[in-house]
Order: sequence, then C-alpha cells, then structure tokens
Amino acid sequence: KAGVTQTPRYLIKTRGQQVTLSCSPISGHRSVSWYQQTPGQGLQFLFEYFSETQRNKGNFPGRFSGRQFSNSRSEMNVSTLELGDSALYLCASSLAQGRSYNSPLHFGNGTRLTVT
Amino acid sequence: GENVEQHPSTLSVQEGDSAVIKCTYSDSASNYFPWYKQELGKGPQLIIDIRSNVGEKKDQRIAVTLNKTAKHFSLHITETQPEDSAVYFCAGINQGGKLIFGQGTELSVKP
Repeated sequence: KAGVTQTPRYLIKTRGQQVTLSCSPISGHRSVSWYQQTPGQGLQFLFEYFSETQRNKGNFPGRFSGRQFSNSRSEMNVSTLELGDSALYLCASSLAQGRSYNSPLHFGNGTRLTVT
Repeated sequence: GENVEQHPSTLSVQEGDSAVIKCTYSDSASNYFPWYKQELGKGPQLIIDIRSNVGEKKDQRIAVTLNKTAKHFSLHITETQPEDSAVYFCAGINQGGKLIFGQGTELSVKP
C-alpha cells in the first residue's frame, strides 16, 4: 500500500506570494491533518479534514487555509507569505471515524517551504 | 489548554544501553498516546502507541508505560543501536480528536 504522498518536496517563495501544497492520503483513509514543523515551535497542528469538512483547527491566522476533495486528497494554501512561514509542512492521514480517535496518524515526508 | 511536555530535549547513550524519554500531559480527557520517530529528511513514523485503558505496552526493544493518575507516560528503548538515533516525539490526543505533540527528544546512540 502506498504511503502518504506530499508534493512538492521543496518550495522556495518570496514574501507576499501565496503557495499551495498537496497531499494524497493512504488509500481508504478519509481523515487528513496538516502540521507545521519548525525548530523553535516543534510540530504545530494546523487543521484536520474529514469527508471534505474541516472538523478541527489549530491556532494559525486566516492566511492558512485548506480543503479536502471527494477522493480525500487535500491541499493547504498559505497566502501573503511571511518569512516566519518557512517550515516543514507535514500531512498525515488516518482511518479515524467520527469524533473519537481510534486509529494512528500516518505522516508523509513533508514539503519544505522556504520564504525569502 | 492542552499541553504535552517532553524531557529531555537531547539524550546521548552508548550502544547497548537503555534510553528513557518522559512526557507529561495536561488534558485529563486524553485517551491515546502515540510515539513517533523522525529520521532526517523524513516525516514522523509511528513506533508504538498506548491507550488509556492500558498501563504498559511492549514491542520487542520498545516499551511504553502510562500513569493516568500522574498524567505522564514514558518511552523505553532497551539495547539501543546506532539506527535508533533520531528525534522522538510523544503526543496526546483528547476526545476532540486533536493530537498535541511534545517538543521532541534528539536521541544519539554512540557506537
């Protein structure tokens, strides 16, 4: 079974631009979560989607948004990029059903975003 | 709010020794505690997890213990090998389905 696939692996953008990152979950997984990883802040939860609906959100500004498609693939978008947005963005999928958590997260290898 | 504290931030051991990483959590509703291993250039990989109805779980050289009363859980790696060198993250999840990670422990196993 193929794992979680994130594209692109690396991205360099300029301040003020916007960026879209893509995530393909493991086949059969309907929940997709996004995390931002930086050396100073560790792994910070961005949001979670299940069946095309956002059902959990972290403490990030509205510049960070996401969506999920009917095939469970997900995208996240960051608008008006700032230098502090430079990070590794990780996507994770799971079989999690309903509100209670009953299966583990499987992470992709991330997209390394550098904002100059 | 939810918080997971992880210690130590760095740990260096000799090959063959044991390594222990400890985490505490604040949300008493947390009922699932996974541990992840992250190697350079890769995403975190689940290595073991424990649910709140169990006190201990073991998988070969890796074990996790949970003390619900004290709200802490620990990862134990025995007979460490150089390939165990990585960053390890603990996490806690509450009934709202939000997974909160500790700050990570960089484990170095010296041959």
